[in-house]
Amino acid sequence: NAGVTQTPKFQVLKTGQSMTLQCAQDMNHNSMYWYRQDPGMGLRLIYYSASEGTTDKGEVPNGYNVSRLNKREFSLRLESAAPSQTSVYFCASSPEGVTRNGSPLHFGNGTRLTVT
Amino acid sequence: KNEVEQSPQNLTAQEGEFITINCSYSVGISALHWLQQHPGGGIVSLFMLSSGKKKHGRLIATINIQEKHSSLHITASHPRDSAVYICAVGGGSNYKLTFGKGTLLTVNP
Repeated sequence: NAGVTQTPKFQVLKTGQSMTLQCAQDMNHNSMYWYRQDPGMGLRLIYYSASEGTTDKGEVPNGYNVSRLNKREFSLRLESAAPSQTSVYFCASSPEGVTRNGSPLHFGNGTRLTVT
Repeated sequence: KNEVEQSPQNLTAQEGEFITINCSYSVGISALHWLQQHPGGGIVSLFMLSSGKKKHGRLIATINIQEKHSSLHITASHPRDSAVYICAVGGGSNYKLTFGKGTLLTVNP
């Protein structure tokens, strides 16, 4: 049972380059999320998808785009990377919304991105 | 926006000690999560609660809605409990959480 799988684990980009972070879950969860984690700060929500076919902005969406390709997959794209996007990125999923009883978050292992 | 404060920021304990990590928040919530982030970076959900108390093995989580406060207790701590423990709260939106900065716990043998 793989849970939430995200790729790649590490990536180095030059300013202006683009890339897509991939995320897939095999738990039949409706909701999926992209977070970033920076030193000295709590996790921050970039985008989320409440269910297949929908996506919405989180707290820090600027510079990112997302695609909910199907129920399993939710990708995050950086069109023109900037040094401020150097961070650790986590994909997560939950059965329903994160305030619903019995709907905990399941996280991927993270992607460490450095933009030079 | 909800403000989430965790205390202490860092905690060092000896194996076997009883551990308490605290989480306070400023605005009423509908759910609170406790997460564990291992030294390698992976994040695991420990508890999700909206009232009362939950227990899983040596871990106990409590929440006091009136006081806007939650505690995570670890009984008989072990070096493998060494990790960052993160509190997160949700309220207005079903899909958005506000995360604390985490408490770094080190348990020495």
